[in-house]
Amino acid sequence: NAGVMQNPRHLVRRRGQEARLRCSPMKGHSHVYWYRQLPEEGLKFMVYLQKENIIDESGMPKERFSAEFPKEGPSILRIQQVVRGDSAAYFCASSPGARQGAHEQFFGPGTRLTVL
Amino acid sequence: QKEVEQNSGPLSVPEGAIASLNCTYSDRGSQSFFWYRQYSGKSPELIMFIYSNGDKEDGRFTAQLNKASQYVSLLIRDSQPSDSATYLCAVNWGPGGTSYGKLTFGQGTILTVHP
Repeated sequence: NAGVMQNPRHLVRRRGQEARLRCSPMKGHSHVYWYRQLPEEGLKFMVYLQKENIIDESGMPKERFSAEFPKEGPSILRIQQVVRGDSAAYFCASSPGARQGAHEQFFGPGTRLTVL
Repeated sequence: QKEVEQNSGPLSVPEGAIASLNCTYSDRGSQSFFWYRQYSGKSPELIMFIYSNGDKEDGRFTAQLNKASQYVSLLIRDSQPSDSATYLCAVNWGPGGTSYGKLTFGQGTILTVHP
């Protein structure tokens, strides 16, 4: 009964390169969320997706960041032309959807991105 | 701007004591409230959620919600050194026009349980 899976766990990129972060939700979960945790800061929402749909991307930076959750395969968070300020822990969470009015979100282990 | 506020601590309690963690939120439209625990360098782990006024108990943990006061708390009974972590309060604002799934987190309270 695997939990939320993320890979890679650690990613090092040089400024200007692209970073691709992958997330496979828990079995039976169709909702995926991405959060970012900058050093010494709190968790910040980035985007909420269901299969083939972006539901809420209000937390995504306007440029260089994109996310998708295709019909088949994992959700992907893509960061183009990375800068040092993108260095952070990126967490994916999944939920089965609304139950008793709550969206219980379970987090993956995270991807630690370091931009040199 | 919807906000979630927590006392950053650190909160230090002796082993066996009750630890009380508090959280306030800015918007009465909030629907659901979550407590997560995060060990250093690890991902958040869901402890429990609450969406109705009153208390909800799960083992050593009790969540308390007071929507009129816009206040949610977490009590940890018989605190153990292994409970030492950062505790995150999260609030979900929805439905009704806002994102149903989006969580807004507080900054977290660092709890230290000393033997």
